[in-house]
Amino acid sequence: GENVEQHPSTLSVQEGDSAVIKCTYSDSASNYFPWYKQELGKRPQLIIDIRSNVGEKKDQRIAVTLNKTAKHFSLHITETQPEDSAVYFCAASIGGGATNKLIFGTGTLLAVQP
Amino acid sequence: DAGVTQSPTHLIKTRGQQVTLRCSPKSGHDTVSWYQQALGQGPQFIFQYYEEEERQRGNFPDRFSGHQYPNYSSELNVNALLLGDSALYLCASRSRQRTDTQYFGPGTRLTVL
Repeated sequence: GENVEQHPSTLSVQEGDSAVIKCTYSDSASNYFPWYKQELGKRPQLIIDIRSNVGEKKDQRIAVTLNKTAKHFSLHITETQPEDSAVYFCAASIGGGATNKLIFGTGTLLAVQP
Repeated sequence: DAGVTQSPTHLIKTRGQQVTLRCSPKSGHDTVSWYQQALGQGPQFIFQYYEEEERQRGNFPDRFSGHQYPNYSSELNVNALLLGDSALYLCASRSRQRTDTQYFGPGTRLTVL
């Protein structure tokens, strides 16, 4: 069935270092891949998304890469700051249509040490 | 411009009871999805509504049902509550015509005792 695997489950970095979170999806029909950041007790917030017709997308310190052949996509955060500390979720869906349920990964707890 | 809102914020119920959770989508959005997020896990898709009908459903039993009103707001109903239904219930909305992006509400924390 549809599945998204996410690694690592926890990640600790020093302030200023880079962080990379990786996801693998199973449904080859998936074509929309958002990333959400969820702080403790708060709602998931979209930080970046990518569609399958694009290999890479960047927004300031955040970038996402997609390898359709391998069904992998990754989140890259550069120059990490303590406020980047949160749980990050990747997700995959079949977008562009009337319905687009999101299949989420299990989350990565990122801790940025000052 | 109000974002997605949900009520109530917290709810405590006992096993066997029924519960109704409410969601108002972001202005301009016509599609509402519901997700269940157990502690320490990613959100799990329950179902999606647009044009007042359930359009897509995840792997949840019939105890979970919903409704969408003409103003696009939505309800999630859960009957015969089980301890395992304790979770954060998230509502997400989108504009079906314009984008795949889903925006989440703050959630309702349901505790079943």
